[in-house]
Amino acid sequence: NAGVTQTPKFRVLKTGQSMTLLCAQDMNHEYMYWYRQDPGMGLRLIHYSVGEGTTAKGEVPDGYNVSRLKKQNFLLGLESAAPSQTSVYFCASSPGGGPPYEQYFGPGTRLTVT
Amino acid sequence: DQQVKQNSPSLSVQEGRISILNCDYTNSMFDYFLWYKKYPAEGPTFLISISSIKDKNEDGRFTVFLNKSAKHLSLHIVPSQPGDSAVYFCAASADDKIIFGKGTRLHILP
Repeated sequence: NAGVTQTPKFRVLKTGQSMTLLCAQDMNHEYMYWYRQDPGMGLRLIHYSVGEGTTAKGEVPDGYNVSRLKKQNFLLGLESAAPSQTSVYFCASSPGGGPPYEQYFGPGTRLTVT
Repeated sequence: DQQVKQNSPSLSVQEGRISILNCDYTNSMFDYFLWYKKYPAEGPTFLISISSIKDKNEDGRFTVFLNKSAKHLSLHIVPSQPGDSAVYFCAASADDKIIFGKGTRLHILP
């Protein structure tokens, strides 16, 4: 039982390049989330999904797209990377929308855009 | 506008003493509050939660207190241990989302 895994762990992009971050969970969770963590900013929600085939915007969605084609996977895409997207990205999953709302996090992807 | 505020960026506590981490919130519609712990280069891990209808929840060395009238919650760790050195995030839930504070870095001193 691997929990939540994220691929890749590290990546360096040049401005304007594109990439996709993959999140996978093996806990049969309905809900999945993408966050970014910046120094002094805590965790900010980018996009989330409440089930296969659904997505919704979070607090900071601009510049990102997501897809949830399979229940166990949640993909985060950057179409044209910008230096402001340099951050650590965390994926999380939870069983559903009911309390206690506990989310299980992956180990993170450190992305640098030069 | 920050809905969940952790006003202390860092806190140092002697090993064996009590650590108290504080959190304030502005949205009275939050129905659950959570604390997460994060070590460097790892994802956050869930620590303890409390429903908005309760004022205290205890789990081993960790106790969370909620004061709804003051829109304030605190996490008490007793006794503090070296492994408790980490960043602690306060979080609050509403609808399908959790909103996190900026975190407090706790240093446990030998």
